[in-house]
Amino acid sequence: GAVVSQHPSRVICKSGTSVKIECRSLDFQATTMFWYRQFPKQSLMLMATSNEGSKATYEQGVEKDKFLINHASLTLSTLTVTSAHPEDSSFYICSARDGQTRFFGPGTRLTVL
Amino acid sequence: GDSVTQMEGPVTLSEEAFLTINCTYTATGYPSLFWYVQYPGEGLQLLLKATKADDKGSNKGFEATYRKETTSFHLEKGSVQVSDSAVYFCAYSGGSNYKLTFGKGTLLTVNP
Repeated sequence: GAVVSQHPSRVICKSGTSVKIECRSLDFQATTMFWYRQFPKQSLMLMATSNEGSKATYEQGVEKDKFLINHASLTLSTLTVTSAHPEDSSFYICSARDGQTRFFGPGTRLTVL
Repeated sequence: GDSVTQMEGPVTLSEEAFLTINCTYTATGYPSLFWYVQYPGEGLQLLLKATKADDKGSNKGFEATYRKETTSFHLEKGSVQVSDSAVYFCAYSGGSNYKLTFGKGTLLTVNP
């Protein structure tokens, strides 16, 4: 079946630095990708919807200047956490849409020290 | 607003036991309903889905029926295996924007 990859799988960074997370659809073209954040023992919270070639649509309460999303091609979307702080530590998951089917990446564990 | 409520875990069962994980939703219109499974170290995978009332989704021995009258989509399996140990998420999707709203997830552990 279709596969979505994320890189890196885990990252540790210092407070104040920026971190980029990549999401790739490996064998299909995804016009729409979604970025989620998952806190321990909680559900996936949608952060933003990313459409290829256009600006991302952010959910209420998500700072678009802090979580920069770029969907430059049909197989790649990136999430950049700018000026990261410890409260940004979380599990970030991307999802890509192939028709009406959704495929999820394995997630990226971000730890900000 | 729209939401999904599912049974909180963790759930621990012995192999071959019967499994039920409850899920109810609050949504306007006629959403599609899903169960996703997340095995340790892997991404979410679609387990089954139902797109209209009274539909039954099934896969790998798991079943769930879309009950509009009770706004429920409970997940069941007659005989669980150790390999079913995972986190299970109930979710719904409504409208044309393909957004998925997830429940909090239920951790299932099956012991031999």
